[in-house]
Amino acid sequence: DAKTTQPNSMESNEEEPVHLPCNHSTISGTDYIHWYRQLPSQGPEYVIHGLTSNVNNRMASLAIAEDRKSSTLILHRATLRDAAVYYCILRDVTGRGGNNDMRFGAGTRLTVKP
Amino acid sequence: NAGVTQTPKFRVLKTGQSMTLLCAQDMNHEYMYWYRQDPGMGLRLIHYSVGEGTTAKGEVPDGYNVSRLKKQNFLLGLESAAPSQTSVYFCASIKQGERPDRAGGSSEQYFGPGTRLTVT
Repeated sequence: DAKTTQPNSMESNEEEPVHLPCNHSTISGTDYIHWYRQLPSQGPEYVIHGLTSNVNNRMASLAIAEDRKSSTLILHRATLRDAAVYYCILRDVTGRGGNNDMRFGAGTRLTVKP
Repeated sequence: NAGVTQTPKFRVLKTGQSMTLLCAQDMNHEYMYWYRQDPGMGLRLIHYSVGEGTTAKGEVPDGYNVSRLKKQNFLLGLESAAPSQTSVYFCASIKQGERPDRAGGSSEQYFGPGTRLTVT
């Protein structure tokens, strides 16, 4: 099963951009790259996802390497409310990955300093 | 549209007691999931369901049972609670894609607020 590797923690200053890396060297051609974040004492929430091309939405941008073996979640201007654990997850395109589907690792704990 | 709701929010059980956690979603989603999260850890998949009447084991299914009698509800049962089951439990759902063979890969997962369970 494809797995992801993320740094345990990162720090950022408020109002500065943040680049959160994720390695997924065993990704298959049918895996989507999803990012979720979990604020303190809450359930995870969807941030963004992509397959091959870079993606932008109101929350963040997702940059995907050309070989798809790594990706980077970009928060353009970090705020104190962005302090959370960020999870990079692979999801099979059929959605039927079952036991191997949507496996959450420990994620990256982002600290935002004022 | 309430999204994904979980009942109860908190519960304290004694070892050996049983209980059922209820997850409900009003988005007509096909897929539903139960995860547990221990302190400082990521989420681990317990059981999941790809449709009404179907369930399957996840990464850590031992000690739990599930049922999906109605599309909108996914129940998680603990028949004989143990201290090792002290955790925060999250339910989630994903809609099916437009094509059955592209069921959910590109769909976002919606999570409930969690149930904090303590077994003494």
